[in-house]
Amino acid sequence: NAGVTQTPKFQVLKTGQSMTLQCAQDMNHEYMSWYRQDPGMGLRLIHYSVGAGITDQGEVPNGYNVSRSTTEDFPLRLLSAAPSQTSVYFCASSLWTGNGELFFGEGSRLTVL
Amino acid sequence: KQEVTQIPAALSVPEGENLVLNCSFTDSAIYNLQWFRQDPGKGLTSLLLIQSSQREQTSGRLNASLDKSSGRSTLYIAASQPGDSATYLCAVRPGDSNYQLIWGAGTKLIIKP
Repeated sequence: NAGVTQTPKFQVLKTGQSMTLQCAQDMNHEYMSWYRQDPGMGLRLIHYSVGAGITDQGEVPNGYNVSRSTTEDFPLRLLSAAPSQTSVYFCASSLWTGNGELFFGEGSRLTVL
Repeated sequence: KQEVTQIPAALSVPEGENLVLNCSFTDSAIYNLQWFRQDPGKGLTSLLLIQSSQREQTSGRLNASLDKSSGRSTLYIAASQPGDSATYLCAVRPGDSNYQLIWGAGTKLIIKP
């Protein structure tokens, strides 16, 4: 059982480049989300989705886009990378959109030079 | 605005001790509270989920309590082992949540053999 799978695990970008972080889950979860984790700041929600075709902004959405064309996949796009987007990114999903237990991927470490 | 605080930021104890990790939140109107474990370079693993109507949850050597009126949750770890060394995070789902979680910054726990 794969759970939540994120790729790539590591990525180095130059300022201004774009890229997509992939997230897939095989648990038929309706809710999927993207967080970034920075030292001393805890996790911050970037975008989330409560089902295929539905997305919404979290706490820090600027500079990121998402789409949810299928239940399984929730890619995160960086439109024009900036050094401030250097972080560790986590994808998470849960069965219910309300009170469900949250399952995390192993993270994608992004460095923007 | 809901805020979540975890004190201390780091804790080091000898193997075999029972210990308590603390999580405080400022607004008692919550749906639930979750405790997570994060190992270095890894994603987060859900340990315990306490719904707002519950007072505690137990899993093996772990027991989490919730006191909404005082805005506190504790994670009790019995008979600590070196394998318990990790960062422990708590997250609150606010009562007016649009599916967001509010995160503490975590307590880094080191169990000395």
